[in-house]
Amino acid sequence: DAGVTQSPTHLIKTRGQQVTLRCSPKSGHDTVSWYQQALGQGPQFIFQYYEEEERQRGNFPDRFSGHQFPNYSSELNVNALLLGDSALYLCASSAQGPSYNEQFFGPGTRLTVL
Amino acid sequence: AQRVTQPEKLLSVFKGAPVELKCNYSYSGSPELFWYVQYSRQRLQLLLRHISRESIKGFTADLNKGETSFHLKKPFAQEEDSAMYYCALGMKRGGADGLTFGKGTHLIIQP
Repeated sequence: DAGVTQSPTHLIKTRGQQVTLRCSPKSGHDTVSWYQQALGQGPQFIFQYYEEEERQRGNFPDRFSGHQFPNYSSELNVNALLLGDSALYLCASSAQGPSYNEQFFGPGTRLTVL
Repeated sequence: AQRVTQPEKLLSVFKGAPVELKCNYSYSGSPELFWYVQYSRQRLQLLLRHISRESIKGFTADLNKGETSFHLKKPFAQEEDSAMYYCALGMKRGGADGLTFGKGTHLIIQP
């Protein structure tokens, strides 16, 4: 099991463009969370997907949207990119259930907005 | 709103010395607290969580609800402990919800 995988590794866009980032969860996991990590900061929660629906959202504008597919993989879309969207985007997967469910993180996608 | 504060951006100690990384949180409910670690060129990974009361790689952390703290401690630092450490808070039982992270502390263990 490769664990959580993300693509692409790096991405360069210009202001106003749109971007799509992809995440495949760890085998056996059904929940995907997305985080934004700006330089020198801790990860900041964007939203979480379970059963193909957004079930929790952090303090991010509607320009940030997502999707989860039947195979549990997920996409993060950002519209009308701003310079401030430059960051490392992390995906984490976990499994729902009554007991503790650790979140496993992917390596991240580095987005640079020029 | 929930918040996690790690007051030290950088902490440098000598090998064999005790280590304490501070974490304070703000949350009105019953939190689940975690420490995550990121070694150089590796992904973020869970180090320990308060509810398990385990000792991982010699590290321990006790949740102090009175002081709203969850400091990470190790009695004798080793060079391989050098890494970024993040304290994180979950609001839901089991920790499967979106986590609130602190800004992190860069721990450097000098030989």
